Amino acid sequence: SSELTQDPAVSVALGQTVRITCQGDSLRRYYASWYQQKPGQAPVLVIYGKTNRPSGIPDRFSASSSGNTASLTITGAQAEDEADYYCNSRDSSGEPAWVFGGGTKLTVL
Amino acid sequence: QVQLVQSGAEVKKPGASVRVSCTASGYTFTDYYVHWVRQAPGQGLEWLGWINPDNGGTSSAPKFRGRVTLTRDTSINTAYLEMRRLRSDDTAVYYCARLEKGVSSTWFDFWGQGTLVTVSS
Repeated sequence: SSELTQDPAVSVALGQTVRITCQGDSLRRYYASWYQQKPGQAPVLVIYGKTNRPSGIPDRFSASSSGNTASLTITGAQAEDEADYYCNSRDSSGEPAWVFGGGTKLTVL
Repeated sequence: QVQLVQSGAEVKKPGASVRVSCTASGYTFTDYYVHWVRQAPGQGLEWLGWINPDNGGTSSAPKFRGRVTLTRDTSINTAYLEMRRLRSDDTAVYYCARLEKGVSSTWFDFWGQGTLVTVSS
């Protein structure tokens, strides 16, 4: 099965821009989706498809992809963006399965 | 509005079985797959498997095959996860999430609130 790799932790100054990356072979075939998870809460979808945001997700969240790497960018990070972020995609290795990255803890300084 | 409401927390002994339910409302149950994901304390998300509520077809991650059974009851819009031969490292929050049917859809747009399963002697 495929794997998705994320940096364990990233920090950003309030109001600055931060990029969280996700690498894996499955990303050559499938777009990553991105989830925000705050302590004690269920994950929330923030980006899906090429760079789509569900209703209610601020437009400071965007995404890009190149080769085997997907990126989530937060432009003008806010204090409420401090959370764990997970990438996810369908596994490209054969039967239908899904895989998550290990997660990135974002700290807003 | 779309809701996935899961059953309450469970405490089980090693070797026992647990069944977690996920009841959907606010949409047509059979138009979306139901996936199951778990999160051990302080750890990341781990995909377990999925069920097609329309025909009951399922698939599970290789490490869970033989221990996990996914079922559904379309009369009450509910999906079930049963895990057998529980071990202490199965202690986790178990989530259900829906995924829209369609070739291009690969994301989970709504999640249940999670069910804590604690395995302890």
